Amino acid sequence: KAGVTQTPRYLIKTRGQQVTLSCSPISGHRSVSWYQQTPGQGLQFLFEYFSETQRNKGNFPGRFSGRQFSNSRSEMNVSTLELGDSALYLCASREDSFTDTQYFGPGTRLTVL
Amino acid sequence: AQKVTQAQTEISVVEKEDVTLDCVYETRDTTYYLFWYKQPPSGELVFLIRRNSFDEQNEISGRYSWNFQKSTSSFNFTITASQVVDSAVYFCALSEAWGNDMRFGAGTRLTVKP
Repeated sequence: KAGVTQTPRYLIKTRGQQVTLSCSPISGHRSVSWYQQTPGQGLQFLFEYFSETQRNKGNFPGRFSGRQFSNSRSEMNVSTLELGDSALYLCASREDSFTDTQYFGPGTRLTVL
Repeated sequence: AQKVTQAQTEISVVEKEDVTLDCVYETRDTTYYLFWYKQPPSGELVFLIRRNSFDEQNEISGRYSWNFQKSTSSFNFTITASQVVDSAVYFCALSEAWGNDMRFGAGTRLTVKP
């Protein structure tokens, strides 16, 4: 099976803009989670989508949002970008429950200038 | 609340040395899952192992081995005869059976020198 794919791999934006990142899970996986990775805060959970519904959410402001489509593909949107949003955004998919193993994509490197 | 501590920020070894990466976790649940992931410079997190709280058997996979001890809440990872390709950041993570998210440790950067 193909792994988790994320597009684009690199993005450069300026403060105030918005950005949309895309994630395609492993075939058959219904859950998609998003994580932010920064040198200072490490890996932090953003949210999880399952069957087109947000099942879980981390402690991030409302500027961070997401959605999932019927084919399990997911998008993450960040509005009104801030310098601190510069990070590696990782997407992970798993089959179903919380106990299933998560498999990660290569990430999208976002730089906010 | 769940917490994962990887006290070793960076480790540097010479090729062929054995190296152990430490992981200590905290959880109030009796059912939980522990994971190790490897993050090479490319950025992708590569799954290495998953262990549930009821299975304390140690596991060996080639040069990799894992030691799970509930008594000390530790899940340590040993690489035997390290190789340059093992250079990466290694993350330990914890998921509670009825929890909300996977909690990661801060990671240990391993550098293997030739």
